[in-house]
Amino acid sequence: DVKVTQSSRYLVKRTGEKVFLECVQDMDHENMFWYRQDPGLGLRLIYFSYDVKMKEKGDIPEGYSVSREKKERFSLILESASTNQTSMYLCASSPAGADIQYFGAGTRLSVL
Amino acid sequence: DQQVKQNSPSLSVQEGRISILNCDYTNSMFDYFLWYKKYPAEGPTFLISISSIKDKNEDGRFTVFLNKSAKHLSLHIVPSQPGDSAVYFCAAWEGAQKLVFGQGTRLTINP
Repeated sequence: DVKVTQSSRYLVKRTGEKVFLECVQDMDHENMFWYRQDPGLGLRLIYFSYDVKMKEKGDIPEGYSVSREKKERFSLILESASTNQTSMYLCASSPAGADIQYFGAGTRLSVL
Repeated sequence: DQQVKQNSPSLSVQEGRISILNCDYTNSMFDYFLWYKKYPAEGPTFLISISSIKDKNEDGRFTVFLNKSAKHLSLHIVPSQPGDSAVYFCAAWEGAQKLVFGQGTRLTINP
């Protein structure tokens, strides 16, 4: 079974804090993704990565950055958290060329 | 600009009846479509997919229909069971790089 693990289920942070969301997959997948899920908007792609040290912007990259130093780990960074970044964050991974992505359980982030 | 649209935020169906979830898309370049199912406090899980060269794909109780001329796909669940209560997302591949999701439809199966 594919396992995508997000380090925190719930996080509460203050405006202006630097926030790290971590994601680890155990299936040696090349591709990793970060989405946010908001009511009425579905899942929107923030960043993705096809290989170590590679990253591509998704649809809503503003206010976020990512890091992929190891194949199994993909980190999402909020440089200076703002209240409009309160959301559910979902990490996913997939093998190269695959159509199906496998998701973690999500991190619900609240920025106060 | 929402390229994949699920216009029904919620749907309520009686157990044993058919559930039909709809999805419309605007980009004629989409060539592969997927449905994901999401329970509360869990990540989305893949349910069923369809290529644009087909108009139907069936997997047990789940069938996806694709109408390319109308840019419309639908997911049929027959018979509906209480465990089918979840949020369902329609998604489409944009080229080889990006999966575009709809807003989701919350399905509730009533006993």
